[in-house]
Amino acid sequence: NAGVTQTPKFRVLKTGQSMTLLCAQDMNHEYMYWYRQDPGMGLRLIHYSVGEGTTAKGEVPDGYNVSRLKKQNFLLGLESAAPSQTSVYFCASSYPRQFVQPQHFGDGTRLSIL
Amino acid sequence: SQQGEEDPQALSIQEGENATMNCSYKTSINNLQWYRQNSGRGLVHLILIRSNEREKHSGRLRVTLDTSKKSSSLLITASRAADTASYFCATGEISSGNTGKLIFGQGTTLQVKP
Repeated sequence: NAGVTQTPKFRVLKTGQSMTLLCAQDMNHEYMYWYRQDPGMGLRLIHYSVGEGTTAKGEVPDGYNVSRLKKQNFLLGLESAAPSQTSVYFCASSYPRQFVQPQHFGDGTRLSIL
Repeated sequence: SQQGEEDPQALSIQEGENATMNCSYKTSINNLQWYRQNSGRGLVHLILIRSNEREKHSGRLRVTLDTSKKSSSLLITASRAADTASYFCATGEISSGNTGKLIFGQGTTLQVKP
């Protein structure tokens, strides 16, 4: 049982390049989230999904796109990378029940934009 | 925007001492959660307290919630070197509905010296 797996773990991009970050979970969770973590800023929600085929914007969605074609996967895309998108990206998932459930996190993707 | 503000930003104690971290938030919530993050890793859920609860315990952890003051505290008793990590509070706003969304604070960095 791997939990939440993020690939790649590290990546260096040049300004203007595009890339996709992959998040996969094997816990049959309905809800998935993408965050970015910057020094002194805590975690900020980029996009989230409450089920297969659905996505919604979070707090800082500009410059990112997402897709949830399969329940277990949540992809985060950077169409034209900018230095301001240098950050650590975390994916999380949770299972909706009558009462709120905790989120399970991957170990992050460290992304540098030069 | 960040919901939670944590205090202190950094805390250094000796092994065996107790560590207390505080979190304040701004809006109406239905739950508050605490997470731990070891260096270079993802967040790990520690404890969840619902808005109708005032105190919760889990092993050496004690969490209190005061909704009238919009604040929470995390107490770690008899700290160990392995408790060295960053600790984040996260709130589930009532306005988020059934999305499971959380808003994270900026975190408290705890160092426990052997």
